[in-house]
Formats: sequence, C-alpha cells, structure tokens
Amino acid sequence: QVTLRESGPALVKPTQTLTLTCTFSGFSLSTSGMCVSWIRQPPGKALEWLALIDWDDDKYYSTSLKTRLTISKDTSKNQVVLTMTNMDPVDTATYYCARQLTGLDYWGQGTLVTVSS
Amino acid sequence: VIWMTQSPSLLSASTGDRVTISCRMSQGISSYLAWYQQKPGKAPELLIYAASTLQSGVPSRFSGSGSGTDFTLTISCLQSEDFATYYCQQYYSFPQTFGQGTKLEIK
Repeated sequence: QVTLRESGPALVKPTQTLTLTCTFSGFSLSTSGMCVSWIRQPPGKALEWLALIDWDDDKYYSTSLKTRLTISKDTSKNQVVLTMTNMDPVDTATYYCARQLTGLDYWGQGTLVTVSS
Repeated sequence: VIWMTQSPSLLSASTGDRVTISCRMSQGISSYLAWYQQKPGKAPELLIYAASTLQSGVPSRFSGSGSGTDFTLTISCLQSEDFATYYCQQYYSFPQTFGQGTKLEIK
C-alpha cells in the first residue's frame, strides 16, 4: 500500500535552513506521471501548496517562496527532500508531503515545524 | 497565479441536510479541480478529483460539479462524520493553489 512519512527537525531558529525528507513506499517516482508535492498549514490556517517534483525531475515552486525553496528526489531511496532557507517565525506550520496523480491522493501524517529562537 | 474564492468560509448545518460549497477561479481551469476533507489534527483526504470523479472509498453522498471557473461540492445527506473543513485545489497550472477552506459545523 502507499505510504508517505515526513521527517525533519521540530524546532528551527530564525534564519536557519529547514531540511525535510519525505520517505515513501508503494509507488515509484520514476513511473511516468508520478509526482510528489509539499504542502504546509500554519496552525489554524489554510493549506498552502509549496512545491512539486515529477517523475522526469521537473520542479515547480510557489511563486512567493520560490527563492527560498529547493525540491529534489532520490529515486533509489524513495525520498523527496525539501529545503527552505532563511526560516522565519511565520513559517511555523505543519508540513505535509503527498503523492500527486490527479489530485493529492495519499498524504503523510505531517510534521510540525516551529520557528523560534 | 490562479486565485480561488471558496465560499462560504463557515457553514452551519444539521445531520441530514444537503449542503453546497463553492469554489470560483480567477481564470478557467477546465476540470483540473480537487476537493479535500480535513478533520482536526489529521492530514487532508482526497474526496473528488477532475471536478466530479469520486475518489475510491468516498461515500456517494459526496459529489462535485462544474468546469471552467465555477465549481461546487455537494454533500447530499450530512452525516455526523462529515463535520470537518473542506478545501478545493486547482492543479491546472503552477503554482497550484488551494481555496481558503470551508468549516462545516453542527448547527
């Protein structure tokens, strides 16, 4: 069955770089049409799409965050990595990764990242 | 960027009611729209994709309609487990975007 799990630090300091890893199973990111997205949700607020990487290694980013985000994949390890530079307290959120075919059909449980000194 | 207007932001209803949630796009997206349900402390779950296709395992009381710029999610007979927050998402173009959410609460 398809599963995804996010991992990374729960607490980062302002100006630091956040690195999150999405480890998945049950599908291959080398399969045509397969994609993985990152989405975040600040406490009590709406979902925000961040980035997507596809089977062909094409990458797409949120317009407002694209200068701070990098998404990459390691197909052999079944992992997708998201880095976000220059973290700020407003970046405090639960970060999710999700598989995308038509719609985001499988999600990880999410990981809460708090930005505080 | 495609902007989305989701309404209402808060919807009060009773078990057994029929409710509709709307999502309007700033430009046409054909049928590249999905709907999600999110319960507190949980990840969202896909309900509908391609505007009107029910995701496997989702009850048939959920339905979606629309194309172009105007879309609707309908729940035909509310059950207690349907009280949650609902989001629309367009995946027609990048950056993908979500609506601001509709919280469905018990009246």
